[in-house]
Amino acid sequence: DSGVTQTPKHLITATGQRVTLRCSPRSGDLSVYWYQQSLDQGLQFLIQYYNGEERAKGNILERFSAQQFPDLHSELNLSSLELGDSALYFCASSVYLRGNTEAFFGQGTRLTVV
Amino acid sequence: AQKVTQAQTEISVVEKEDVTLDCVYETRDTTYYLFWYKQPPSGELVFLIRRNSFDEQNEISGRYSWNFQKSTSSFNFTITASQVVDSAVYFCALAFDSGNTPLVFGKGTRLSVIA
Repeated sequence: DSGVTQTPKHLITATGQRVTLRCSPRSGDLSVYWYQQSLDQGLQFLIQYYNGEERAKGNILERFSAQQFPDLHSELNLSSLELGDSALYFCASSVYLRGNTEAFFGQGTRLTVV
Repeated sequence: AQKVTQAQTEISVVEKEDVTLDCVYETRDTTYYLFWYKQPPSGELVFLIRRNSFDEQNEISGRYSWNFQKSTSSFNFTITASQVVDSAVYFCALAFDSGNTPLVFGKGTRLSVIA
């Protein structure tokens, strides 16, 4: 158990809908990362928050947004969903701001858009 | 360009065989960090090892060993006497010392260990 909790584990929704994925980092970790894992693109970095502030952005679509709350949990919001958004979404946390330290991953949320 | 290549998409071995998973990386940075993660069938990503670019010593942890060679930009992972529980997708990843760029992952190698 990595100590990172993601909910829900599975989500099935229709095209055009909006969903929210939730992540609770390990106790004491200030950095939260979101990654998308799809068959064709592999593991792609989406966005990073550190202590409530956005610190790095990757290949995140404009339809997607995220935030980190004062209690350090984070939410990833996906809207106007398309079939191609079906993927496994991971949250990871680490103690430090920099990406060169080991990050601990949650079990992921498997999103299926139908 | 920062890139990680895992040329082996899938490997299948019989239990107790040794297996090496290859990882080749590209970076212009002199300081960088290399990682291996394991993704078992249950789906979570499990951290295995982190190595910085200044430490070329090989590392052994039980049946796992890692061979880092800067000269060939490789960070290979060997499992000795493989077991069925080793069946998983293994990812090699790269991170940098500057800024807060997160991990750059390879595409992964799916290892199947057959009893």
